[in-house]
Amino acid sequence: NAGVTQTPKFQVLKTGQSMTLQCAQDMNHNSMYWYRQDPGMGLRLIYYSASEGTTDKGEVPNGYNVSRLNKREFSLRLESAAPSQTSVYFCASSEGPGRALHFGNGTRLTVT
Amino acid sequence: AQSVSQHNHHVILSEAASLELGCNYSYGGTVNLFWYVQYPGQHLQLLLKYFSGDPLVKGIKGFEAEFIKSKFSFNLRKPSVQWSDTAEYFCAVRSGAGKSTFGDGTTLTVKP
Repeated sequence: NAGVTQTPKFQVLKTGQSMTLQCAQDMNHNSMYWYRQDPGMGLRLIYYSASEGTTDKGEVPNGYNVSRLNKREFSLRLESAAPSQTSVYFCASSEGPGRALHFGNGTRLTVT
Repeated sequence: AQSVSQHNHHVILSEAASLELGCNYSYGGTVNLFWYVQYPGQHLQLLLKYFSGDPLVKGIKGFEAEFIKSKFSFNLRKPSVQWSDTAEYFCAVRSGAGKSTFGDGTTLTVKP
């Protein structure tokens, strides 16, 4: 049971570099989400996709873009990384709106 | 916009002590309520959830939570904690729009 799989687990970037965080789920869930977790700030929603073909901004979308490639995959792209984007990123999925979230293991990103 | 407030940032207890973590939310409509737990170095996992019905909800590992609509609260309780309960606990609220809002988290340290 893979659940939600995120890659990579760790990444170090220099300011201005770009990268894409990958996320895939094998539970046939409709909704997928990207959160960032920072100490003392809980989880903040970056972007979400309520269903295949749709994406919407969350609380902190600036500096990020997303792609819902298909029902299984939801990627997060940093076009020009900044030190403020140093964080732990979690992908999550759910059956649909209002249902419990299933989280991936996270990606620890450091931007120097 | 909905918001979630967790009253305690860090709680330290001895084994066998009782636990209550506070959670209040602000949203006037119908909500789904969740508690998630994050063990050290791991991703978030669902502890329990409330959608409707009996306001006293039982979850895994002996945890329970009570939804008090008039107080906009969803406090987490456990009668007797164990060292293995050391973790960070997050309260979350999801509205009909499907987006989850998380509290800042409460770190629980249980001393053996």
